[in-house]
Amino acid sequence: DTEVTQTPKHLVMGMTNKKSLKCEQHMGHRAMYWYKQKAKKPPELMFVYSYEKLSINESVPSRFSPECPNSSLLNLHLHALQPEDSALYLCASSQGLAGVFSDTQYFGPGTRLTVL
Amino acid sequence: SQQGEEDPQALSIQEGENATMNCSYKTSINNLQWYRQNSGRGLVHLILIRSNEREKHSGRLRVTLDTSKKSSSLLITASRAADTASYFCAPKSYYGNNRLAFGKGNQVVVIP
Repeated sequence: DTEVTQTPKHLVMGMTNKKSLKCEQHMGHRAMYWYKQKAKKPPELMFVYSYEKLSINESVPSRFSPECPNSSLLNLHLHALQPEDSALYLCASSQGLAGVFSDTQYFGPGTRLTVL
Repeated sequence: SQQGEEDPQALSIQEGENATMNCSYKTSINNLQWYRQNSGRGLVHLILIRSNEREKHSGRLRVTLDTSKKSSSLLITASRAADTASYFCAPKSYYGNNRLAFGKGNQVVVIP
């Protein structure tokens, strides 16, 4: 199974709502990533988890709160978002953070988020 | 910044033609990867070329790497309508916890 799944596919939320994005992989990967992608732009790294511990936070605002409850799951909790946070949120995983087999990242299909 | 920079950024070709796109980067790399993204979907890993490799093939894809010029090219031969997508290069340095610094991307449209 080389699949990364993300739910929901689409999400519309108001600025006062609290919602969560979910990501799951069953490849035994120990590194997981959140990216944000605006239209016609490349993905921008937000967070990296390695062995369920936060390894990289790319100075993301605190209204985005990641969580890695176990090695297969990655959540992104959203609270008090702004309209400019509307984007495609992509989750990815890799075998690890180092080593020749860790380089390839496997991406999920993304969650299209709209903040009203 | 290690971010890749693709050229050209938009390409429109007829089905059956070859499509070539280039990527330049700034500092030393461990490897360089190419990813494809169909409209509004996730990225799919296409091919990885290591810094000690000069050329690599995968099906209809051919990637070259010139570390002296800090550039890479992706060639898609005998293009198909299904190749219509955005293509991103992602140079990866030796450091940085597996960060991929995606370039701006190439939008390729293959006309049937």
